[in-house]
Amino acid sequence: QVQLQQSGPGLVKPSQTLSLICAISGDRVSSNSAAWNWIRQSPSRGLEWLGRTYYRSKWYNDYAGSVKSRISINPDTSKNQFSLQLTSVTPEDTAVYYCTRHQVGKWYFDLWGRGTLVTVSS
Amino acid sequence: EIVLTQSPGTLSLSPGERATLSCRASQSLTSSSLAWYQQKPGQAPRLLIYDASNRATGIPDRFSGSGSGTDFTLTISRLEPEDFAVYYCQQYISSPLTFGGGTKVEIK
Repeated sequence: QVQLQQSGPGLVKPSQTLSLICAISGDRVSSNSAAWNWIRQSPSRGLEWLGRTYYRSKWYNDYAGSVKSRISINPDTSKNQFSLQLTSVTPEDTAVYYCTRHQVGKWYFDLWGRGTLVTVSS
Repeated sequence: EIVLTQSPGTLSLSPGERATLSCRASQSLTSSSLAWYQQKPGQAPRLLIYDASNRATGIPDRFSGSGSGTDFTLTISRLEPEDFAVYYCQQYISSPLTFGGGTKVEIK
């Protein structure tokens, strides 16, 4: 059974970097048939896709324009996990963050982590 | 960016009734690249429907999806108590992937 286990701090100070990890069990981050995403949800912005990383003979990333200058999603094959880093956060980045999977050629999300509430506050 | 507009915002129904939820896209979604999700309080969204009309694994057949182009519908034929939740549509014809604002199905 494939599962995604999220970890990371629930409180980040303004201007600092938000960092979350998603550990994968039952699948591989380097799979040629999956892509690994981060999505966030807030009352003001709803569900917002942030970006993804995937392996197709080499590593690729794809980011939403709204966060492109601040985001980095990186795989860690040694630990079979991937991470999210979002720099220069403001209270607008307060949200529940989810890691998710979609299959190759099918950009809908068939697997979700449980979510991490991240609050940006001093 | 493709904008998805869901209606109504809230649907008040009784168990056993039929629910009809709408999702309208700002551009045509060729290949019917639309999915539906269900979300209950404190949980992550769960995939219900993909490619507009295909049920995901384990989803009961009271859930059905239809539509093409810019207009899509999720129908729950007979509401069970566990179906009261928020439903979202999502397009995947182009990046950025976008979601609708959601329809809450509440108990009348």
